[in-house]
Amino acid sequence: DQQVKQNSPSLSVQEGRISILNCDYTNSMFDYFLWYKKYPAEGPTFLISISSIKDKNEDGRFTVFLNKSAKHLSLHIVPSQPGDSAVYFCAASEGSGGGADGLTFGKGTHLIIQP
Amino acid sequence: DTGVSQDPRHKITKRGQNVTFRCDPISEHNRLYWYRQTLGQGPEFLTYFQNEAQLEKSRLLSDRFSAERPKGSFSTLEIQRTEQGDSAMYLCASSPDLEPRWVTQYFGPGTRLTVL
Repeated sequence: DQQVKQNSPSLSVQEGRISILNCDYTNSMFDYFLWYKKYPAEGPTFLISISSIKDKNEDGRFTVFLNKSAKHLSLHIVPSQPGDSAVYFCAASEGSGGGADGLTFGKGTHLIIQP
Repeated sequence: DTGVSQDPRHKITKRGQNVTFRCDPISEHNRLYWYRQTLGQGPEFLTYFQNEAQLEKSRLLSDRFSAERPKGSFSTLEIQRTEQGDSAMYLCASSPDLEPRWVTQYFGPGTRLTVL
């Protein structure tokens, strides 16, 4: 059973426009959420995170929104740049568990920025 | 500033052979994690160390898998009697011990294992 779901395997966005990547989760014990970016043949790179006590966190071009009641989060990238083309993973943690059980990842969304 | 490093980057082996991978975490990070990623999937948690103590193991970690972190610094992951289903990217991650920063894990480049 997938506790973290990214239902769009791929997304194509024009350069300069907004990219919106979505993520849903089912485990109500998750209280910390992260987004990672991955290029081929490299490990995931941390982008941005959000605690469940917040509904928005912003870092430069990246903003993550959390809707706890809907168990949904999204990553907004504005403006999108060619270097943003990568696979984006949503991940979640049961922080109250002390982090010992690792992060639970979605299957990823392949973002393609078109010139 | 050195990140997480993993060695080797690629490993090709024949079914039935044993393989060992090494991970060097970020130097001040006490927490170390191993994950496995197969094609089309996100990373899946395998095991967790806090300093030298292995505190958590996923059910994905069969008896053929063993991990160590003898001095609380680098870690090794060994797979005995490899099977074709073990072919995957093995990722190592580390994080600091200070709450809430420990939630953010920093990943190495991974070791790509191919079992023929």
